[in-house]
Amino acid sequence: DGGITQSPKYLFRKEGQNVTLSCEQNLNHDAMYWYRQDPGQGLRLIYYSQIVNDFQKGDIAEGYSVSREKKESFPLTVTSAQKNPTAFYLCASMTGNTEAFFGQGTRLTVV
Amino acid sequence: AQSVTQPDIHITVSEGASLELRCNYSYGATPYLFWYVQSPGQGLQLLLKYFSGDTLVQGIKGFEAEFKRSQSSFNLRKPSVHWSDAAEYFCAVVRSGGYNKLIFGAGTRLAVHP
Repeated sequence: DGGITQSPKYLFRKEGQNVTLSCEQNLNHDAMYWYRQDPGQGLRLIYYSQIVNDFQKGDIAEGYSVSREKKESFPLTVTSAQKNPTAFYLCASMTGNTEAFFGQGTRLTVV
Repeated sequence: AQSVTQPDIHITVSEGASLELRCNYSYGATPYLFWYVQSPGQGLQLLLKYFSGDTLVQGIKGFEAEFKRSQSSFNLRKPSVHWSDAAEYFCAVVRSGGYNKLIFGAGTRLAVHP
């Protein structure tokens, strides 16, 4: 079955820790995206990537980093510089401006 | 800069009533437009999309949307709402050509009264 897999579903981070959220797709899509979702603010774009080894900052990239070493994978690291990381994170992929397919999300909580 | 505005944060309708969710976009070129639906704690599902051609597009679950270039709008409609339509709805836009920056509106939360 083709799709996007995000893991883990729930993640807890201590103050000052870096954590990495996984996003893998087997749809052979070129573009991949990371969004942060907070109540009442919709989906805000963190980073996006059009091709391997290339990515662009979105609207709220500060405190986050990404890599795109393989077409299938686009992991997001939430660094200690992100002061308010508690949120729901969604990964998506798309090809040719057709439609974006979404993973089921990761809920990150600071403890 | 491109942007998407959904003016209504919350909408409540009675089951069986008609529905219209508003979406306005700001973009220089002709964009590609989408409507997505999200159930609590889940990912997003595509309802419908507009790329070109007929400005009235049909989607899944009985939804339709109309693209109006003169108003920069892409409103979502359904003639008769079902209780299972209660969810959050997002309008999205991506530039037609070039780097695929996909951005979303803030969403409209729909409640359905029996």
